[in-house]
Amino acid sequence: DIVMTQSPATLSVSPGERATLSCRARQSVDSNLAWYQQKPGQGPRLFIYNASTRATGIPARFSGSGSGTEFTLTISSLQSEDFAVYHCQQYNKWPRTFGQGTKVEIK
Amino acid sequence: EVQLVESGGNLVQPGGSLRLSCEASGFSFSSYAMSWVRQAPGKGLEWVSSTSEGGANKYYADSVKGRFTISRDNSKNTLYLQMKNLRGDDTAIYFCAKAAVATHPYYFDFWGRGTLITVSS
Repeated sequence: DIVMTQSPATLSVSPGERATLSCRARQSVDSNLAWYQQKPGQGPRLFIYNASTRATGIPARFSGSGSGTEFTLTISSLQSEDFAVYHCQQYNKWPRTFGQGTKVEIK
Repeated sequence: EVQLVESGGNLVQPGGSLRLSCEASGFSFSSYAMSWVRQAPGKGLEWVSSTSEGGANKYYADSVKGRFTISRDNSKNTLYLQMKNLRGDDTAIYFCAKAAVATHPYYFDFWGRGTLITVSS
């Protein structure tokens, strides 16, 4: 299985600041990586796919980058609705695997 | 509007069985691969199983292979997960998820709110 590791586990950021989340794969997943946002009591919401393509309705302040084993989700200027948990997922191979999540909290 | 509504979660004893359902609406259900993903309390997401749009192809995580069976009824727009020999580490919220790319369960563009299964004596 491809192990996905996210860092940090928790990121404390002030509104308006920039947030950078990392996701690392133990082996190459090419660009077959997605990012999801999850809020308490809700299912995840697709934010980014193919490592850098924003899903429908996702604001431009969210950007994804990377390929191979190193990926980044950047939120350029955090808004109140962005505080949540973010998960990465590879779909290069079976089984599909997720990182353990990064919680973005208000500083 | 796409909606996925899971049901069937419950408290069940170790070794017991349960069937989850996911009722879909707002899209052409029979054209899309579907999946189950779970989340143990306070943990990350774990892919469980996927099925192709017609149900012929099925994929399972090693942790559930031989114990869980995914199926679908396209006439009822419903996805199922039959679970048997349940264990404590199956305790989780189970989410139903729609494939973003119709015939390939790569990543998931819509998810339900989930249904909770607790395995405990």
